Amino acid sequence: EAGVTQFPSHSVIEKGQTVTLRCDPISGHDNLYWYRRVMGKEIKFLLHFVKESKQDESGMPNNRFLAERTGGTYSTLKVQPAELEDSGVYFCASSQDLGGARGNTIYFGEGSWLTVV
Amino acid sequence: EDQVTQSPEALRLQEGESSSLNCSYTVSGLRGLFWYRQDPGKGPEFLFTLYSAGEEKEKERLKATLTKKESFLHITAPKPEDSATYLCAVQAPVNTDKLIFGTGTRLQVFP
Repeated sequence: EAGVTQFPSHSVIEKGQTVTLRCDPISGHDNLYWYRRVMGKEIKFLLHFVKESKQDESGMPNNRFLAERTGGTYSTLKVQPAELEDSGVYFCASSQDLGGARGNTIYFGEGSWLTVV
Repeated sequence: EDQVTQSPEALRLQEGESSSLNCSYTVSGLRGLFWYRQDPGKGPEFLFTLYSAGEEKEKERLKATLTKKESFLHITAPKPEDSATYLCAVQAPVNTDKLIFGTGTRLQVFP
């Protein structure tokens, strides 16, 4: 079974340009998440989709970031315009919704490494 | 504020030298504590989930334990292929599955 896949794996763009990252979750996973790790810091939550709806976008840093999940399948994360501080690795993750009080196991992709110069 | 602290930041072990990694957490109510392994240039790879104090889980040379304030990842007789960064994360009882990560412990095992 395919895991979470992300594209591109690496991207180098100039300040002010636009970049779009794509994520394909594990088949059948309704939950999709975006996380980010900037240099020297811990991995931090950006947002959570349940199917096509945004369940929690409390971690989105500002309105230069736009996440979509049309049709409840793959997701895109667009950064426009990119700033130097946006450099880092962007992880996508997904999980099944098993219900109940226990947390769902969350599986991560390999990440999209973004460098803004 | 929910918080996760991992120690040590880095650990160097001789092959076969057992040790433990610590994850201390402060959370309003724990839904789950997760351990992940991350290799350089890769994404976090799921290892364990622990849900309540006293719970233990094992996988090969790794054993994770949980108390009300911390979790330990015990590594028994490590091998060089166990070298990686080990990440701890918690889920709090809110209406999302948001994970709060620690900064990780970078483990190096030498032959």
